Parts: sequence; C-alpha cells; structure tokens
Amino acid sequence: SQTIHQWPATLVQPVGSPLSLECTVEGTSNPNLYWYRQAAGRGLQLLFYSVGIGQISSEVPQNLSASRPQDRQFILSSKKLLLSDSGFYLCAWRRTTGGKGSEQFFGPGTRLTVL
Amino acid sequence: AQKITQTQPGMFVQEKEAVTLDCTYDTSDPSYGLFWYKQPSSGEMIFLIYQGSYDQQNATEGRYSLNFQKARKSANLVISASQLGDSAMYFCAMRERSGGYQKVTFGTGTKLQVIP
Repeated sequence: SQTIHQWPATLVQPVGSPLSLECTVEGTSNPNLYWYRQAAGRGLQLLFYSVGIGQISSEVPQNLSASRPQDRQFILSSKKLLLSDSGFYLCAWRRTTGGKGSEQFFGPGTRLTVL
Repeated sequence: AQKITQTQPGMFVQEKEAVTLDCTYDTSDPSYGLFWYKQPSSGEMIFLIYQGSYDQQNATEGRYSLNFQKARKSANLVISASQLGDSAMYFCAMRERSGGYQKVTFGTGTKLQVIP
C-alpha cells in the first residue's frame, strides 16, 4: 500500500527565518508530486508540482521554492519567511498511470505559523 | 476566469436529509476529471468521488453521488442521508492537461454543517 508522510506536523517560525518542509511517498514509483497551501478558511492553492526528479513547475510567484532530490521526496523551502506564508501546507501525490480517476492522495499536512 | 467555482461558502442540513453542494468548472481540455474531497477539522483531505468527462453515467460512491451536467459544466455533489460526521469542508477539484502535464485545480470549498 502507498503512504505519504509530511513533517513537521506543526511549525512556528519567526519572520525572516528559513523553512524546509519535507514530504515522502512510499509504495509507489515515479509519482506526480504536489505542494498546496491552504490559508485559514480558504481553498487550496497549488504552489508547485513535479513530474520527476529535478522537474519542478511553479504555479505562483513567491518566495518559496521546491526541490525533488529523489523520486519519492519533495521538499518545500524558503530562505526568508513572510507573515503571509502562514498556512496549512499539504503535499499530495498522484499516479502517473492507472488508478481510478488518478485522484490525488494527500499527506497529513504541516501547519505553519509565521510570527 | 475561475477554473472551479463553488458558490456556497456554507451550508446547513438536517441530519438524515440529503444535501447538494454546487460546483461549476471551466476548461477547454476535452478530457478532464472532476473530484470531490472532504476535509474535516483535523485537516486531512479525503477523496470522495470521481467523474471523468467521458463517463456516461453519474458517479456514485455509497451515500455520495455526483450530478454531472456536462453542457452546463456543473458537477454537484449530492450527499444522501446526512450524518453528523459529514460536517466538514468540501472541495471540488478538476484535473486537466496543462502544458503537457496533468494539473489539478481546487475550488474555494463549502463548509457543510449537519444539524442534529
């Protein structure tokens, strides 16, 4: 079976500090990987998606970056956090082939508070 | 233009009643997919149901059904016999081809509250 992990679960960081959120997927290979951000009471905003190692597409201009150093590892980073970076960050994966509807499977999320 | 529109920020439903959550979409990709997810207060995203653009019949999964009206570009979620545990945020999403890749876009969500 496939599982997706995210850590940390919660994070409180000061403005201007760096950020690194990690997401790993087990039990599948060559998944499509996604980072979403959800502001409080709002919908999901797609930040980055990746179809393979080293292949990152950015959806919105921002001070965040993403990297995929291994097939099943997806990292979200920032050199200097802004207050507006606060939110709930969700990592998701999707099969590149097969699967009913190719739905996305989500990790448990990281709740980031920037003070 | 919004790719996915959910016009109901909040809905109330009496326990055991049915409720319809609205979703309209916009895409030029002839091969797309529509999804509904549930997000309880714990934050996890739970996949509920999927409808492909070429599917002839409306999708059903237990108490969930998707009222797919292709010409109107709507994909409403119907929850029958509501339960207290159905109280959550519900997101409609669409998968389409974008720049050679598959991309998924989410709506802003509808907060459903089931009243005992």
